[in-house]
Amino acid sequence: NAGVTQTPKFQVLKTGQSMTLQCAQDMNHNSMYWYRQDPGMGLRLIYYSASEGTTDKGEVPNGYNVSRLNKREFSLRLESAAPSQTSVYFCASSDPTRPGASYNEQFFGPGTRLTVL
Amino acid sequence: KQEVTQIPAALSVPEGENLVLNCSFTDSAIYNLQWFRQDPGKGLTSLLLIQSSQREQTSGRLNASLDKSSGRSTLYIAASQPGDSATYLCAVRGMTTDSWGKLQFGAGTQVVVTP
Repeated sequence: NAGVTQTPKFQVLKTGQSMTLQCAQDMNHNSMYWYRQDPGMGLRLIYYSASEGTTDKGEVPNGYNVSRLNKREFSLRLESAAPSQTSVYFCASSDPTRPGASYNEQFFGPGTRLTVL
Repeated sequence: KQEVTQIPAALSVPEGENLVLNCSFTDSAIYNLQWFRQDPGKGLTSLLLIQSSQREQTSGRLNASLDKSSGRSTLYIAASQPGDSATYLCAVRGMTTDSWGKLQFGAGTQVVVTP
């Protein structure tokens, strides 16, 4: 099991460029999430997908769009990158419907380090 | 709005000492609380998850307690080792429909264990 995978690992963009961050999980989880991590601020939720076919805004959605392509894949798109979007982006997945001790335990990918110049 | 705080922001201890990491949250209506470890330049690794009905969870040298009524959780790491050096984050999942499935994170405590 690879768990949660993300591509690319690093990316440098110029202001105004667009790009898509890819995320995939092989744990058959229903829910997937995109977070950003900035120094001293912890992780903040950008968008999430409770199940295939649904997406909802998190705490900081402005400037981003998402697509839940299928149960495995959840992508994050920056249409017109800005320097304020320089951050580390993490994808996570969980299965809130699974009973037991691991109920809604979230599993994270390795992150994408994005710099916008 | 739920706020999660971790104090101190950084901590340095000599090898062998027990580590005590604190996490506080403002809204006691939580579903569960999760502790993570993050190594520099890496993703998050889940350490322990405590359900709201539980008082503590243990895994090896790690023990996490939860006092929901006072809005506190503590992560204990016994007999610290240099390999325990990392940033430790706590996150809570709220119980309301609006907070469904979503985690609210603290900013983390950066730990250095010196040989």
